[in-house]
Amino acid sequence: GAVVSQHPSRVICKSGTSVKIECRSLDFQATTMFWYRQFPKQSLMLMATSNEGSKATYEQGVEKDKFLINHASLTLSTLTVTSAHPEDSSFYICSARDSGTGTRSNQPQHFGDGTRLSIL
Amino acid sequence: AQSVAQPEDQVNVAEGNPLTVKCTYSVSGNPYLFWYVQYPNRGLQFLLKYITGDNLVKGSYGFEAEFNKSQTSFHLKKPSALVSDSALYFCAVRDRNFGNEKLTFGTGTRLTIIP
Repeated sequence: GAVVSQHPSRVICKSGTSVKIECRSLDFQATTMFWYRQFPKQSLMLMATSNEGSKATYEQGVEKDKFLINHASLTLSTLTVTSAHPEDSSFYICSARDSGTGTRSNQPQHFGDGTRLSIL
Repeated sequence: AQSVAQPEDQVNVAEGNPLTVKCTYSVSGNPYLFWYVQYPNRGLQFLLKYITGDNLVKGSYGFEAEFNKSQTSFHLKKPSALVSDSALYFCAVRDRNFGNEKLTFGTGTRLTIIP
């Protein structure tokens, strides 16, 4: 089945550090990937839609300069949290859908295992 | 706009009993509906989906869901609960409109199966 690999699974770093999270589709191509943020005991909040070869589409209220997204290939999207602060601590999850099935496809999104980011 | 409601934050069921996790949705057109399960510190795993056709959809691990258009519901069910079913369950909806790939999730329901 479709597998999405997310790395690292956990990051602990000092305030002011920039952190890069990778999301890879291992056995399919994805022109579109999604980045979510999940707070404790809450649902997933869509942060942005990552588009291969073009700029990401950010949801309202998400700082573009804070959360940099790069989708340079059909199998890799990265999220960089720049100058991270304690309030950026959260669980970040990416997802992707097999682009080969078409935009109208009813195929589900497949999720990575998430990255637990802790800023001290 | 599309939205999902999961009215129960927590559902407790005795092992071996049937379980139901409720979900209602709102979309402008016809929906794609999904159920996902999340285990601690993990991403979401796909359970099942409704696209069209039979209102009763069967998925992974013995789960099934019933689509009810008149009630705009998509409740998740299992005839006999296992302790290993304890997890966080999310219902999600996607509008069928061309180019709209966004999933909207409910707030999640924590299912606890009591041995």
